[in-house]
Amino acid sequence: AQTVTQSQPEMSVQEAETVTLSCTYDTSENNYYLFWYKQPPSRQMILVIRQEAYKQQNATENRFSVNFQKAAKSFSLKISDSQLGDTAMYFCAFMKPKEYGNKLVFGAGTILRVKS
Amino acid sequence: DGGITQSPKYLFRKEGQNVTLSCEQNLNHDAMYWYRQDPGQGLRLIYYSQIVNDFQKGDIAEGYSVSREKKESFPLTVTSAQKNPTAFYLCASSIWAGRTTGELFFGEGSRLTVL
Repeated sequence: AQTVTQSQPEMSVQEAETVTLSCTYDTSENNYYLFWYKQPPSRQMILVIRQEAYKQQNATENRFSVNFQKAAKSFSLKISDSQLGDTAMYFCAFMKPKEYGNKLVFGAGTILRVKS
Repeated sequence: DGGITQSPKYLFRKEGQNVTLSCEQNLNHDAMYWYRQDPGQGLRLIYYSQIVNDFQKGDIAEGYSVSREKKESFPLTVTSAQKNPTAFYLCASSIWAGRTTGELFFGEGSRLTVL
C-alpha cells in the first residue's frame, strides 16, 4: 500500500519570503500522480499543483513549484513571494492512475502560517 | 455555478443515533468520494463510487453506509456502530470513465459532533 509522509506539522514564513514544504511517499509503482492540495481556514480544499511521475520536468503554477525527485520518492512544494492568503493547511497526495475511482492517499498535512 | 454542495455544515448527534450527510454535485462527474478528516491524520477514505448503483469501501468504512442511486448524489450515513464519529467529513468528485487527470473537487465539508 502507498503511504505519504509530511514531516512538518507546522511552518511559518514572513510575507514575501519563500518557503518549502516537504513530502515523501512510498510506492512500488512506476507511473503515478502526485498532488498538493490547499485547505484554507474556510475549509474548502483546492488543487494547488499536479505532477505526473513520467514527466521529468518539475511542475510550476505561478508562485508554486515542486521539486520532484523520483528516485528519492520526494515531492516538495516551494511557495515563492508568500502572501497572507497562502495561510492554510497543505496536503500532499498520491494517486495510482487507472485504478478504480481515482483514489487519493493523503499525508497528514502541514499548517502554513504567513506572517505580515 | 458548478460545484459540490454538502449539507448540513454543522450537525450534532446524540449517541446511538444515525445521521445522514448530503452531497450533491452538478459537475457531471462520474466518481464521488467521502473522506474523513481528523487533526493530525490527514484525510482518510470512507467510501467511493465510480458509477451509479456501485460503490466500494475505502480504508475506514466500518460504521458508515452510502448509496449512489443518482449520478449527482452520494449521501453518507454515519451509523450508531461508528465508535468515534465526531469529525469533519469531506465529499469530493472527479471525472472518470478512463479520462482521468486525478484531480478531485471538494465540497465545503460537514462537521459532525456527537454529544
